[in-house]
Parts: sequence; C-alpha cells; structure tokens
Amino acid sequence: EVQLVESGGGLVQPGGSLRLSCSASGFTFDTYNMHWVRQVPGRGLEYVSAIGSDGRNTFYSGSVKDRFTVSRDNSKSILYLQMTSLRPEDTAVYYCVKAQSSSSSENSHRVFDSWGQGTLVTVSS
Amino acid sequence: DIQMTQSPSSLSASVGDKVTITCRASQDISNYLAWFQQKPGKAPKSLIHAASSLQNGVPSKFSGSGSGTVFTLTITGLQPEDFATYYCQQYASQPLSFGGGTKVEIK
Repeated sequence: EVQLVESGGGLVQPGGSLRLSCSASGFTFDTYNMHWVRQVPGRGLEYVSAIGSDGRNTFYSGSVKDRFTVSRDNSKSILYLQMTSLRPEDTAVYYCVKAQSSSSSENSHRVFDSWGQGTLVTVSS
Repeated sequence: DIQMTQSPSSLSASVGDKVTITCRASQDISNYLAWFQQKPGKAPKSLIHAASSLQNGVPSKFSGSGSGTVFTLTITGLQPEDFATYYCQQYASQPLSFGGGTKVEIK
C-alpha cells in the first residue's frame, strides 16, 4: 500500500524558512515523479512544484519560484520542500503527491495517483 | 497558463440522484484532464485521469467525459459518502492547474 507522510509544518514568521519532508513507502520511490500541492484552509488547490524520478528535473509555480526548492533522497525514499522568504500568503496545507509514473508518455508523469495527508504551514508574526 | 473553470460552484442533491459537474479549460488540453474528490479535513482522492479513465478502486458510479476544452464528471446514484468537493485539473502543460471546485451538498 502506498503511504506518503508529510512532516515539518508549523508556525513561522514572515521572511523565515521551513523544510517539509514527505516519507514514502509501499512503492519503488526512485521510479516515480513527485509533486507538491497546497491548499489554503477552506479554499481550492494550488499546484506548487514537481521533481523527476532522479531529481534532475524540477518545476516551480510562479508564486514560489526562486523561494522554494524541491529535492529528493532516493536512498531514503524522502521528498523535500525547502521554503525560504516565507510570506503570509504561503499559509496552507501542503500535500505530497505521487505521480502515476516517471514516463512522459500520455503525460503520466503528471497524473496524480496518491496523496499524503498534508502538513499545515502557518506564516504569521 | 491554462485556466480551469468549474460549474456550478455548488449544488444540492438527494441520495440516489445523478449529478453532472462541468469543467472548462481556457485552451485545448486534449484529454489531459483529471478529477479529484475531497472530503472535509481530508486529503484529495484521485478519481479519474485522461478525462475518462477511473483510478484503481474507484467505483463505476463515477464517470468522466470530454476532450479539448469541455469536460464533465457524472456521479450516478449519489450516496451519503459521495457528498464532497470535486476538483478538475489539467495536466497538459505546466503549471498544472485546478478548477475552483464544486461542492456537492445534501438537499
């Protein structure tokens, strides 16, 4: 069974930094692309970032580009999201999401099939 | 960037009803369209990808259709566990983007 467990969320002041982790199990981690999605409580879903199976290719949405860094440790099956220069508008639940594959055929590397339970990040003074 | 628009934003329905939710893309996305279900306080659950392919374990009461710019999610025989918020998402091009959601409530 696929399991994705996020951690590292909490309260941080504006301008501060935080690193989220997503511990994966139940599948061969290093053969799947991974994504981050966030959701302001009570609001809709917002796409944040993606990383290829080998960690070489990454993507960031415009709202987090140059402030967030996605990475992965395939030896430990852990996905990371390093967040810096945090703003109040970054306050959200952050979800780690597994893609269907790492293949670009039929864009399956972008098809979400499993989600973590989420971790809440609150940016406030 | 591709904008996704869902309608309605909310609807009320009774147990046993059939409901249809529409999702429109701001440009042609072929069939690169997914649907998700989210219940209060829970993570989203993947229902459909490629506009009409059910994810493993998703019951056939859920069906999707469409291509290009207009897509629909249909739920037949609504049950209490189906009352939730549903989101569409395009994965044709980065940045991936979601519709605003449709909340399905009990009448």
